[in-house]
Amino acid sequence: DTAVSQTPKYLVTQMGNDKSIKCEQNLGHDTMYWYKQDSKKFLKIMFSYNNKELIINETVPNRFSPKSPDKAHLNLHINSLELGDSAVYFCASSQDPPDKAFFGQGTRLTVV
Amino acid sequence: EDKVVQSPLSLVVHEGDTVTLNCSYEVTNFRSLLWYKQEKKAPTFLFMLTSSGIEKKSGRLSSILDKKELFSILNITATQTGDSAIYLCAVEAGSYQLTFGKGTKLSVIP
Repeated sequence: DTAVSQTPKYLVTQMGNDKSIKCEQNLGHDTMYWYKQDSKKFLKIMFSYNNKELIINETVPNRFSPKSPDKAHLNLHINSLELGDSAVYFCASSQDPPDKAFFGQGTRLTVV
Repeated sequence: EDKVVQSPLSLVVHEGDTVTLNCSYEVTNFRSLLWYKQEKKAPTFLFMLTSSGIEKKSGRLSSILDKKELFSILNITATQTGDSAIYLCAVEAGSYQLTFGKGTKLSVIP
């Protein structure tokens, strides 16, 4: 009965590759998010998306793009991976207007 | 399966009150417990706790971890309306993944 699930849990890849992280929520929520956790445990929002609007944090490189095949999924695609992209990425969802957000367990991305 | 339970799920208090938020957990290979304050869309990091019995403090907020009883509390003294938010507890297990609780929605009324 997992509410928000991310795959894969771990991803090790070489610089320059393109990779995707998948996120699915079975809560019927309208809005989904991607966050990047830095080494100090801070969560930085990257994107929020519902069927009406994509809001992009302007500091996120355009190598990162969200792709939503349907309301229950928001995948994160990353082109030309760089060493600095190594982090734990979290997906979350909430009702609209935003209330409590439900988080996935994270995907640990390591770029070598 | 790792589990994090927060209580209460919501709480309404008056300005000046002291509140205690609870977080209990069952995880494999515990690393740390984190508290976040969520306003709007981005949770703000508050504390990371790794050792039992050592209180972490930041202004009116403080938190402590009990690794024997598997819980943590977050205290807020002299609450202000700006403390109104959702407080998230998350536990980091062996793989650096986090399991989040459902959050406590705190409303502070003047």
